[in-house]
Parts: sequence; structure tokens; C-alpha cells
Amino acid sequence: NAGVTQTPKFRVLKTGQSMTLLCAQDMNHEYMYWYRQDPGMGLRLIHYSVGEGTTAKGEVPDGYNVSRLKKQNFLLGLESAAPSQTSVYFCASSTQALYSNQPQHFGDGTRLSIL
Amino acid sequence: AQTVTQSQPEMSVQEAETVTLSCTYDTSESDYYLFWYKQPPSRQMILVIRQEAYKQQNATENRFSVNFQKAAKSFSLKISDSQLGDAAMYFCAYRSAQWGNTGNQFYFGTGTSLTVIP
Repeated sequence: NAGVTQTPKFRVLKTGQSMTLLCAQDMNHEYMYWYRQDPGMGLRLIHYSVGEGTTAKGEVPDGYNVSRLKKQNFLLGLESAAPSQTSVYFCASSTQALYSNQPQHFGDGTRLSIL
Repeated sequence: AQTVTQSQPEMSVQEAETVTLSCTYDTSESDYYLFWYKQPPSRQMILVIRQEAYKQQNATENRFSVNFQKAAKSFSLKISDSQLGDAAMYFCAYRSAQWGNTGNQFYFGTGTSLTVIP
């Protein structure tokens, strides 16, 4: 089982460039999430989605956009990359909270450097 | 929003010894789930153990066990017979069991970096 797959795994951008991170899950999960991880700050939620066609802001949404056109995919976009967006980005998915104690399932992360 | 606090940024343990990582959380809810994740240098987030708030019995998974104190809002992780492969960053996480916004999100602590000394 693939689980949650993130592409790419590494990327270096120049300030002002744009890019899209792709997350795909094959577990038929309703919920998907994008986090960034920075030293000493744990995981911070950027955006999340509770279903196809829906998205919501998390703790640190500024400078990012997301889309969920298909249930299995969740895209994270950086329109104009800034050095402050240098981080490791994780995608995760989960089932609905009401019915399950299932945890989030994570991708392997994307290391993004903005020069 | 719920908050999760891990007050120990770094911990160390001798190989084969026992170590306990602390986690506290703030919530007014009665029904929720708690998790411990392990993140080794490979960066993968690996589920270690989970606990349902309605269960009084502490969860165990082989060498890993928790001490869940609901009234104190404490959820510590005990690692017995520590092994070199246990060296990692450990994250505590909370999730509401309710519908709506509170059930949509997982709340993570800032992590504890565990070093295992040979």
C-alpha cells in the first residue's frame, strides 16, 4: 500500500518563483492536511480539507493556497516563494473523527529551500 | 483551540534503560483521542501508540506504554528497554472526537528529541 505520497521530495527555489506540492492518498480518507515543520516549532497546520472541493485555513495559511479537486489529491501552492517558507512540508490524511480513533497518516515530507 | 505541551525539548537515556516523555494538553472536551508519533532522522512520522479518552486502561504496545491521567490532562509515554533505534523526535498529538471544526484538526506538541546512549 502506498498510503500518502508526496512529490517532490526535495526542491530548491529562488525568491519569487512559484511551485506546487502534490499529495496523493489511496486510503479513501475524507480529511487531508498540509503542515510545515520548523526546528523547535513542531508541526504547524497550513491548510486542510474535509472533503473534495472544500478547504479551510489552518494556523499559518499566509503565502499558501490549496486545492482539492479530487478526493485523493491535495495540492499546496506557493505563488511567490519567500525565504521564510524554507521548511519541511508534510501532507497527512485521516478519517472523520466521529467514527474512528484512527491517526493521521503522513507522507515522507518535502524539503523546500528558498534562496 | 486545544493546546498540547511537551515541556522537555530534549531527553537522553542509556540503552536498555527506561525513559518517560511528558505531554499535557488543555481541553474542555470529554471525548477525544491522544497519540504519540515518532519521527526518526528519516523524517517519517510513525504512529507509536494511541489512547481513547473514554478508556481508563492505559494503552501498551510492546515496549511502549502510556500513563493517561484524564483529570490531570496528562499523557506521558514510557519507553522500556530503550534501544538505539528509539532515538528520534517524539510528538504528542490530540484530536477531538466531535463533529465540526474541533474534530477536523490534530493538535501537536513541539516535540521531544530523544537520544539513546550506547
